Amino acid sequence: QKEVEQDPGPLSVPEGAIVSLNCTYSNSAFQYFMWYRQYSRKGPELLMYTYSSGNKEDGRFTAQVDKSSKYISLFIRDSQPSDSATYLCATDFNFNKFYFGSGTKLNVKP
Amino acid sequence: DAGVTQSPTHLIKTRGQQVTLRCSPKSGHDTVSWYQQALGQGPQFIFQYYEEEERQRGNFPDRFSGHQFPNYSSELNVNALLLGDSALYLCASSSSAGNQPQHFGDGTRLSIL
Repeated sequence: QKEVEQDPGPLSVPEGAIVSLNCTYSNSAFQYFMWYRQYSRKGPELLMYTYSSGNKEDGRFTAQVDKSSKYISLFIRDSQPSDSATYLCATDFNFNKFYFGSGTKLNVKP
Repeated sequence: DAGVTQSPTHLIKTRGQQVTLRCSPKSGHDTVSWYQQALGQGPQFIFQYYEEEERQRGNFPDRFSGHQFPNYSSELNVNALLLGDSALYLCASSSSAGNQPQHFGDGTRLSIL
């Protein structure tokens, strides 16, 4: 069983839609949860990170962690064509060794 | 403020050869991690260096080795290259002071012929 499972998509939505991206993880000891965005031919760019359960909001992005169900979500409001990228979830015990999902490819159509 | 820089950006090698990839961490960061990202997959942790020593290692054979220099920059060496080593190799840096996530470079794309 992989440490982190993520639906690869692709996910195609119209501009302005609310996007929901999700991951599940296997180890209840994971404490840190990250979302990275990766454009083609670029490295992952940190979007948000949270510690333990709860919500965190940053502009149009909201990260949500439910440790009871081992579920990680990223919501994007008012999606833009510039949001088109691959989104990677990651988790870790202590920011030393990240476990990544396989990434979800998002396409926001104008 | 320069972020994580990696060189070269692209490299082509043949099976059996050896390769060295280089990474300079973000200013203020002292810890460097290396990841392998196959096409369509998420990054896989190779190892992490701190204070010039390997601190953690993922499930990679010892053909993969590394080094960290006193200025915190790092190298990834891969010996006896296999076709399956073709991937994007990512370097990530972080600070040991406080819990902060890693920042990634744009990677080196390694193609094995």
